[in-house]
Amino acid sequence: NAGVTQTPKFQVLKTGQSMTLQCAQDMNHNSMYWYRQDPGMGLRLIYYSASEGTTDKGEVPNGYNVSRLNKREFSLRLESAAPSQTSVYFCASSEEFQGGWKTQYFGPGTRLLVL
Amino acid sequence: RKEVEQDPGPFNVPEGATVAFNCTYSNSASQSFFWYRQDCRKEPKLLMSVYSSGNEDGRFTAQLNRASQYISLLIRDSKLSDSATYLCAVVNTGGFKTIFGAGTRLFVKA
Repeated sequence: NAGVTQTPKFQVLKTGQSMTLQCAQDMNHNSMYWYRQDPGMGLRLIYYSASEGTTDKGEVPNGYNVSRLNKREFSLRLESAAPSQTSVYFCASSEEFQGGWKTQYFGPGTRLLVL
Repeated sequence: RKEVEQDPGPFNVPEGATVAFNCTYSNSASQSFFWYRQDCRKEPKLLMSVYSSGNEDGRFTAQLNRASQYISLLIRDSKLSDSATYLCAVVNTGGFKTIFGAGTRLFVKA
């Protein structure tokens, strides 16, 4: 049981390049999320997917697209990278308990530097 | 105003000390509350959920004050291994979005 996995762990891009961050979970969770974490800003939600086949914007979606490929996989794409997208990106999935509690499980993160 | 706010710290405490963190939230409709721990250059991991009646897990106690809209985390008998950043998290009505605070850094020194 690997939990939430992310690839790659590190990436350096030049401005204008594109890339896709991959995320997979093996916990059979319905909900998946992409966050970015910047110093002093905490975790900010980029996009989320409440269930397979649905995606919705979070707090900071501009410059990103997502695909919920199946129940296990949720990818994040940067079409034209900008230095402002330098950050640590975390994928997460969540389970729901009775009453709506949602505990989140995070992947190890992708450290992205855009030059 | 941020939806979830925490004192960024850092809190520097000696081993054995008791330390408390507060986190305020602005949405009165918030329904679920959590504390996460994040070690340096690692992912956040759930420390504990916060129940209305308050809950304890070993040296850790979490409390919720709905009237004043804050949650707290108390760590007793601090250990060196408690050094980390502590994030509070709030899930609002609908349940699909978790809002995280920016985190409070704790350093426990020998």
